[in-house]
Parts: sequence; structure tokens; C-alpha cells
Amino acid sequence: GENVEQHPSTLSVQEGDSAVIKCTYSDSASNYFPWYKQELGKRPQLIIDIRSNVGEKKDQRIAVTLNKTAKHFSLHITETQPEDSAVYFCAAFFSGGYNKLIFGAGTRLAVHP
Amino acid sequence: DADVTQTPRNRITKTGKRIMLECSQTKGHDRMYWYRQDPGLGLRLIYYSFDVKDINKGEISDGYSVSRQAQAKFSLSLESAIPNQTALYFCATSDLQSLASNEQFFGPGTRLTVL
Repeated sequence: GENVEQHPSTLSVQEGDSAVIKCTYSDSASNYFPWYKQELGKRPQLIIDIRSNVGEKKDQRIAVTLNKTAKHFSLHITETQPEDSAVYFCAAFFSGGYNKLIFGAGTRLAVHP
Repeated sequence: DADVTQTPRNRITKTGKRIMLECSQTKGHDRMYWYRQDPGLGLRLIYYSFDVKDINKGEISDGYSVSRQAQAKFSLSLESAIPNQTALYFCATSDLQSLASNEQFFGPGTRLTVL
């Protein structure tokens, strides 16, 4: 069935280091892959997304890569800062039947000063 | 600013009670969704609606029902609440007309505790 797996579940880094979160998806027809950031007590908000016709997308310190053959995509955060501490969710857009997003279980990122 | 709002923000209730969570949006979006968030399980889709006459079950619809009263309003009901429905509930919207993005916009969440 439709599934998105996300790893790791928790990630702890020192300020200035890089952080990488990885996700795999089950449906090869998926064509849209967003990443959401949820700060403590707040709602999830989109930070970056990528479509299946692109292999990489970058926005300042964050980047997302997509490997369609392997059905996995990753979020890369460089030069991490304490304000990057949050829970990050990947998702995949499943087009079979009614279009809907399936989310990964989330990664809790802690950036230590 | 156009937004997604949820009421109530917090609710404590007892087992067996009927509960309704409400969602309103001023974004003019056609699509609306209800998710629940549990630690370690991410966001799981309960129900979604692509217009007023369209209602679809998500991954975990058992024990829940919904009503799309208008384009801007989508409510979630727990007919007889049970403790394992204790969770954070999010409403979200997306724009059917947007070809550039399938971005979903989330409400602030409702924290529900069933005793």
C-alpha cells in the first residue's frame, strides 16, 4: 500500500554542522515531494518541495534531492542553527485514485549551540 | 491574511461523549483535510474533501465522521470518544486550481484529550 518511511526519528547535531534526513516511498507514480517543518507547539509549514522531473532543489541553507529509480528523497540542511530545531516531515503525493499526501513519521532535529 | 482556523484549540472530554472539531478557512481553497498527529506516527489522514459534495475516507477513518457544510467549513466529529483518540488534530487546505504546488496549509491544531 501507500507508504512513506522516514529516518532517523531523532537527530542531534552541533551548531554549524550539516543534517540529513532521508525518506523512501512506495508508489513509483508519486510526483511531488514536500518537506514540512513543525516547531514546538506550532503548525507544520512547508519549507521546500520537489517535483519528479527535477533531481535537486536548493533554497539557501536547505536542499532536497530525489532519486526516482531508488524511490527515495532527502533533506539537507547546512550550517545548522539553533532555530532549525524542530520536527521535520517528508511527504509523497500519491496520485492513484484521489490525490493525497502521505506523510513520514517525522524526524526530531536538535541543534545544540 | 487568509488563514485556516480551528475551534476549539484544546478540549478535554470523557469516554463516550460526542465531540465536534471545527475548521474554517478564508483562503478560498477547494480541498480540505483532517489529520491526527501522534508522537512517532507523524500525520495520518482521517478524511478529506475536494468540494462540498465530495467526502473521502483517509487512512484512519474508523470512529470519525465529517461534514463539509460549505466550501470554507469542514468539521470532524467523534460520535463516541475513546481514550485512544487522544491526539493533536490538524485541519489543512490546498488549492485545486494551483498547478504549481500541491502545498497544504495547516490550521493551528486542536489538542483533544479523552479521559
